[in-house]
Amino acid sequence: SQQGEEDPQALSIQEGENATMNCSYKTSINNLQWYRQNSGRGLVHLILIRSNEREKHSGRLRVTLDTSKKSSSLLITASRAADTASYFCANSGYALNFGKGTSLLVTP
Amino acid sequence: DSGVTQTPKHLITATGQRVTLRCSPRSGDLSVYWYQQSLDQGLQFLIQYYNGEERAKGNILERFSAQQFPDLHSELNLSSLELGDSALYFCASSVATGLRFGSSGANVLTFGAGSRLTVL
Repeated sequence: SQQGEEDPQALSIQEGENATMNCSYKTSINNLQWYRQNSGRGLVHLILIRSNEREKHSGRLRVTLDTSKKSSSLLITASRAADTASYFCANSGYALNFGKGTSLLVTP
Repeated sequence: DSGVTQTPKHLITATGQRVTLRCSPRSGDLSVYWYQQSLDQGLQFLIQYYNGEERAKGNILERFSAQQFPDLHSELNLSSLELGDSALYFCASSVATGLRFGSSGANVLTFGAGSRLTVL
C-alpha cells in the first residue's frame, strides 16, 4: 500500500504538553505531507517535507523524516485546545493516499 | 473558505437511488480529486482528474463515476446506492502538472468542506 499509517490512533494530552504522532509508509516517496482535519470538516494542509530533508519546522510544528525507516513524525509543541483534531500523513509518491489518522484531544 | 466549493452539503436518499455531487476547484487549480471518508474505512482516494482527463484511480466502485468538465468543475455520480455508501465525500484540488501525480514534485491539496451523504 502507498498510504501512510498513523500511530497512535488516539492521543489525549493537556494543554501545554507536546503531542507526537508517527507515520509509517511502505514505498519510496518524493515528499510526505501532514494534514489536519477538524471534526466533520475538510482536511487542511499543514506541512510538507521532501525526501531529501530530515527535519522541518513551521511555527509550533516540527516534522522529521527518516527515509531509511520509512517513517515520519509530527510534533506539536505547547499544545492548545484548538489543536484538537485528527492528523493525517500522506505519501505523495503517487496519488495522495491517507491513513486513518491520529485523533488528538487536547484538554484545558 | 478554502476556495473549493462542494454542493450539496448534506444529502439524504434511499437505497437504490442515484445522486450527483458537485465540486468547483480553487481558482487556477487544474486537478480535482475525490475522496470518501467513512468511520470504518478512513479516507479513501477515489479518483483524480487533470484538465478534464482522468489521471489516477483509487478504490472507486463501478457504481460510481466522475468527470471533469471544460470549466474544470467536477461531478461525482453515485448510483444504485447502498447503506454502506453513507459517508462524507470530499473534493480537493491542486495545481498539479500534467504528469503522473507526484512525479514532478509536491502536490498540495486544498479540500472542500465535503458533502455528507446518508443512505436510508
